[in-house]
Amino acid sequence: ETGVTQTPRHLVMGMTNKKSLKCEQHLGHNAMYWYKQSAKKPLELMFVYSLEERVENNSVPSRFSPECPNSSHLFLHLHTLQPEDSALYLCASSRTGGTKNIQYFGAGTRLSVL
Amino acid sequence: AQSVTQLDSHVSVSEGTPVLLRCNYSSSYSPSLFWYVQHPNKGLQLLLKYTSAATLVKGINGFEAEFKKSETSFHLTKPSAHMSDAAEYFCVVSEFSGGGNKLTFGTGTQLKVEL
Repeated sequence: ETGVTQTPRHLVMGMTNKKSLKCEQHLGHNAMYWYKQSAKKPLELMFVYSLEERVENNSVPSRFSPECPNSSHLFLHLHTLQPEDSALYLCASSRTGGTKNIQYFGAGTRLSVL
Repeated sequence: AQSVTQLDSHVSVSEGTPVLLRCNYSSSYSPSLFWYVQHPNKGLQLLLKYTSAATLVKGINGFEAEFKKSETSFHLTKPSAHMSDAAEYFCVVSEFSGGGNKLTFGTGTQLKVEL
């Protein structure tokens, strides 16, 4: 176990649904990240939170809405998604303060949009 | 801007033979480089990292990588492959982003290990 837990592990939703992905870390880190992993494409960074403030939004559509209520929890709220949003969504956490810090990843949520 | 190129999308080796997974990077600054592994239905696990100390870096499970600035390479090697090494491997470069760090991933190399 990496100390980063994501729920649910699998999610199937229609294009009109609203759902949320949850990430929790028990490592004492204060930076958290959302990534999207699609087939045949490199992992794409979506959002970065540092000390509970969003510091990077990588041109992600507004149908994805992140929330970081405290340094241990990160959410990704989903609404009116498209089939091309089907992917593995990975959460990670790290300490802040430099490029040498290791990011620890959760096992991901496999999302299917019908 | 930084980037990573993994030169092989698939590598197949026999159990007990050496493994070589190739990675070239581009970075404006002195880079931090990582190799991560992903087994099926699992998250990413760190194998090793280079952060400007020794150029030969040893990681978990017998893997190591050598940072070669002149060649802008960070190839991953293992002397003897094991069946459990079959997975996808990602070469990653890191840059600072606000308070966190921004990772740029390669497209991955799928390693197959045959008996």
